[in-house]
Parts: sequence; structure tokens; C-alpha cells
Amino acid sequence: SQQGEEDPQALSIQEGENATMNCSYKTSINNLQWYRQNSGRGLVHLILIRSNEREKHSGRLRVTLDTSKKSSSLLITASRAADTASYFCATNYGGSQGNLIFGKGTKLSVKP
Amino acid sequence: SQTIHQWPATLVQPVGSPLSLECTVEGTSNPNLYWYRQAAGRGLQLLFYSVGIGQISSEVPQNLSASRPQDRQFILSSKKLLLSDSGFYLCAWSVNGGNTGELFFGEGSRLTVL
Repeated sequence: SQQGEEDPQALSIQEGENATMNCSYKTSINNLQWYRQNSGRGLVHLILIRSNEREKHSGRLRVTLDTSKKSSSLLITASRAADTASYFCATNYGGSQGNLIFGKGTKLSVKP
Repeated sequence: SQTIHQWPATLVQPVGSPLSLECTVEGTSNPNLYWYRQAAGRGLQLLFYSVGIGQISSEVPQNLSASRPQDRQFILSSKKLLLSDSGFYLCAWSVNGGNTGELFFGEGSRLTVL
């Protein structure tokens, strides 16, 4: 399977702490994306990192990509209770359809 | 700006009954359209995608079918629902020919088959 795998499956932290989630995949990619899903809602795109990039920032989010290890990490700094959600990585293997392969997600709980 | 609408949001159906979930996109032309299913606590499974009117690709053989009667309309159907069809169904779109594959999701439809 080409599916990405997130680690850990669940993460519980206190407000103000940093949260780190990891994603591993199996074959070469065009880009890797991170999405957020609040309970019972649709997914929202957070950030995209291309295969020739190593690090990207967006507000409190920092994403790294190590293509040699076929892995990525998402860091949320100074977490807030509102960051409580599931986070998914999705790998784009190219093709005109732009199909994405999603992992099973990390469920993040930020306690006030 | 682009928006995506998906309905119904919730439905409870008996085994053997038909299903129709509808998705429409506004503010863009010729999008790629997708149906995903998410089982409880699981990732997303791609069911169908479409790159144009009447063009449907199925990723997983199953009890479901999809149709694209208009450019920005995508319908997920079943003639006879099974218990295993229960789940959270998500419609999404992406830019046709775009090389990033970034997806924009609807709010989902939760189906319970009893």
C-alpha cells in the first residue's frame, strides 16, 4: 500500500505545549499535504510541502520533509484548545487527477 | 470564491434501501470531483473520482456507484444498501490539471444503515 501512516495515533497535551505528529510513506512523491478534521466535519487543507522542499512554515505550523527517510512531521507550536482535531497527512504521487492517498490520522487533544 | 455543498448531512437508512448523496461545487469550472468514505476512527478511502462530465473512475469495487450529470455536480448512489455501507462520506474537488492535488472538502454526509 502507498498509504501514509501517521504516528502517534493519538496525542494528548496541555495548552501551550508543542504537538508533533509524524507521517511515513513508501514511494516517491510529488508533494505531501497535511489536513485537519474537526470532529464530524470535512477536512481542511493546512499546508503543502513539495518534494524538493525540506521545511515550510505557516503561522504556528511547521512542516518538515525528509525524502531520504520518506517521512514528514507536523509541529504545532504553543497549542490551543481549539487545535483539538484529527490531523491527516496525504501524499500526492502525481498524475493529472491529483489523487491523494490519506493516512489514518493523529487525533490531537489539547487540554485547557 | 469557490464553495462546495454536500447533502444530506445525516441520514439513517434500512438495509436494502436506495441511496443518493449529492454534491455541487460553485465558483469554478471543470473541477476534478471525488467521493471518499471514512469509517469510524479510520483514514479516508477514495471511492470514485471524475475528471469531467460522464467520466467516472472507480477505485474500489463495491455496492456503490457515482455519476456526474453536470460539470459541477457529483452524485453517489446505491440501489440496495448494506450494513457495511455505513460511514462518513466526503465529497471533494480539486483544480483540473493542477499538479498539487490540493483538495477542498464538503462538510460530509453521515450514513447509518440499520
